[in-house]
Amino acid sequence: DIQMTQSPSTLSASVGDRVTITCRASQSIGNSLAWYQQKPGKAPKLLIYQATTLQSGVPSRFSGSGSGTEFTLTISSLQPDDFAAYYCQQCISSPLIFGGGTRVEIK
Amino acid sequence: EVQLVESGGGLVKPGGSLRLSCGASGFTFSSHTMNWVRQAPGKGLEWVSSISTTGSYIYYADSVEGRFTISRDNARNSLYLQMNRLSAEDTAVYYCARGLGVRVILAAIDYWGQGTLVSVSS
Repeated sequence: DIQMTQSPSTLSASVGDRVTITCRASQSIGNSLAWYQQKPGKAPKLLIYQATTLQSGVPSRFSGSGSGTEFTLTISSLQPDDFAAYYCQQCISSPLIFGGGTRVEIK
Repeated sequence: EVQLVESGGGLVKPGGSLRLSCGASGFTFSSHTMNWVRQAPGKGLEWVSSISTTGSYIYYADSVEGRFTISRDNARNSLYLQMNRLSAEDTAVYYCARGLGVRVILAAIDYWGQGTLVSVSS
């Protein structure tokens, strides 16, 4: 099985900060990676798929990069609505493992 | 508007069974892979199972293989998860979720239901 390691697990930041979250796959997954945002008590929301493609309706301050085994989610200027948990997921083969999550907190 | 509505959650004793249902609307259900994803209280997301458009391809997480069965009824726009031999470790919110793209077997998830809580306790 492909394992997904996400870091950091918690991140403290201020509004306006540039934030970067990393996801590493235990073997190459090409560009088959998705990023999700989840707020407490709510279902996750797709932000990015195929590593770099922004889902319709997602603000352009979110971007994804990487391929193979190393991936990054960047929020260029953190907004109050962005304080949430973020998860990566590999989508190339079963089981479709999620990363452990990153909680972005207010500093 | 895409809508996914889960039902069937509740409290069940260890060793018991439960069947979750998910009603879909607002899109061509038969054209998308469907998934179940769960989240234990205070924990991260865990993919549970996926089923392709016709049911020809079915995948399970190791943690549920042999106990859970995913199925779909394209005529009824419905997805199901039969859960047997439940244990406390299966306690979670279970989400019904749509796979991105038409006739793609494995893909990211672009729409999620609101979730249904399954609690396993004596």
